[in-house]
Amino acid sequence: DARVTQTPRHKVTEMGQEVTMRCQPILGHNTVFWYRQTMMQGLELLAYFRNRAPLDDSGMPKDRFSAEMPDATLATLKIQPSEPRDSAVYFCASGPDTGGETQYFGPGTRLLVL
Amino acid sequence: AQSVTQPDIHITVSEGASLELRCNYSYGATPYLFWYVQSPGQGLQLLLKYFSGDTLVQGIKGFEAEFKRSQSSFNLRKPSVHWSDAAEYFCAVGAWNSGYALNFGKGTSLLVTP
Repeated sequence: DARVTQTPRHKVTEMGQEVTMRCQPILGHNTVFWYRQTMMQGLELLAYFRNRAPLDDSGMPKDRFSAEMPDATLATLKIQPSEPRDSAVYFCASGPDTGGETQYFGPGTRLLVL
Repeated sequence: AQSVTQPDIHITVSEGASLELRCNYSYGATPYLFWYVQSPGQGLQLLLKYFSGDTLVQGIKGFEAEFKRSQSSFNLRKPSVHWSDAAEYFCAVGAWNSGYALNFGKGTSLLVTP
């Protein structure tokens, strides 16, 4: 049963520290999405990739967030420096690039910045 | 502007009763429509999706949804709710002109009473 995996599942850090979240998309999927979930804003798109190329990262705070796909099996989301307002659950999702197909979500990384 | 609205923040139903969760959207392009369910502390699980064709779609766990273009709605229904259906339900919309990245509603929290 293929699944999207995310690490770590939980992260507690102090303000100003760097945070790196990792995602392994489902093998064969070539679109990867990062979403953030907060109580106030709900689920928001941060960035997405197709064939490892970033297509849209307009949802990310550019000064502190960065998203990359070093290879087809790994997507990373980094926050440097982290701030308390970054506390949220970060979801990675992947999908096949066949046009509007379903996105499969990982379990999320729950981040708390103190 | 593109938007997804779930008018009901909370819904309470008795076990065995029928359920309808509302979703309205405003999209310029032909939308792809999804319903996801999230249990506490978990990721998002796809219940069903609509791309084209028959406007009444069947999903997992006994859920169905009907796409009504004239009303810009995609309401989720279940004829008889089980206690295990208590969760957060999200309507989401994607479109080809946004790379199929999902725009989520704010969610509806379902409580099931004995």
